[in-house]
Amino acid sequence: QSVLTQPPSASGTPGRRVTISCSGSSSNIGSNTVNWYQQLPGTAPNLIIYFNNVRPSGVSDRFSGSKSGTSASLAISGLQSGDEAVYYCSAWDDSLNVVLFGGGTELTVL
Amino acid sequence: QLQLRESGPGLVKPSETLSLSCTASGGSIGRNSYYWGWIRQSPGKGLEWIGSLYSSGSAYYNPSLKSRVTMSIDASENQFSLSLKSVTAADTSVYFCARGMVASTFDYWGQGSQVTVSS
Repeated sequence: QSVLTQPPSASGTPGRRVTISCSGSSSNIGSNTVNWYQQLPGTAPNLIIYFNNVRPSGVSDRFSGSKSGTSASLAISGLQSGDEAVYYCSAWDDSLNVVLFGGGTELTVL
Repeated sequence: QLQLRESGPGLVKPSETLSLSCTASGGSIGRNSYYWGWIRQSPGKGLEWIGSLYSSGSAYYNPSLKSRVTMSIDASENQFSLSLKSVTAADTSVYFCARGMVASTFDYWGQGSQVTVSS
């Protein structure tokens, strides 16, 4: 079981908005920034949000991130079939001295 | 555009040492302010951080793997490497190399290299 907790699955219909949560603690999300990665089937993870809410160049503005206390969220608006992927949150943990990844959330576009 | 590519044996025997290299193209590994990291992913499982190495040579390793891991940079070859000793079947994974904006944030990834530990 991951220290960063994500729901194993999420779904939404095309054009709608979906949010994915990531719950941690004071030693990780509570005191460090959160990153989000998208992993399409058979490919390497791709950074889509860093430092809680910053999009790398080239990432659609349909993706947005937020953080409050010891939890973070990834929102995807205007859902598209191409958004079907596994999404991982990540943060440094000051107590464990490790980069943590959440267990991943598999997004299905219905 | 930076590209990273992992290389190394796809099969390693138990108790032996797993060695992987990551070669960069379209960018330089040495003389910059980036980290160079390794992350692995076991079949059907999530991501596990192995370690991050600064271009100057200072390293951060996952405490659960620290006793078995060594990472290094060869700037002349524009590559960095991972060595994991005393492997077991539990080390069977896809191994990714990546560039870190900071030690914990990876913006460029290799395609991944499947390593199986088996006799």
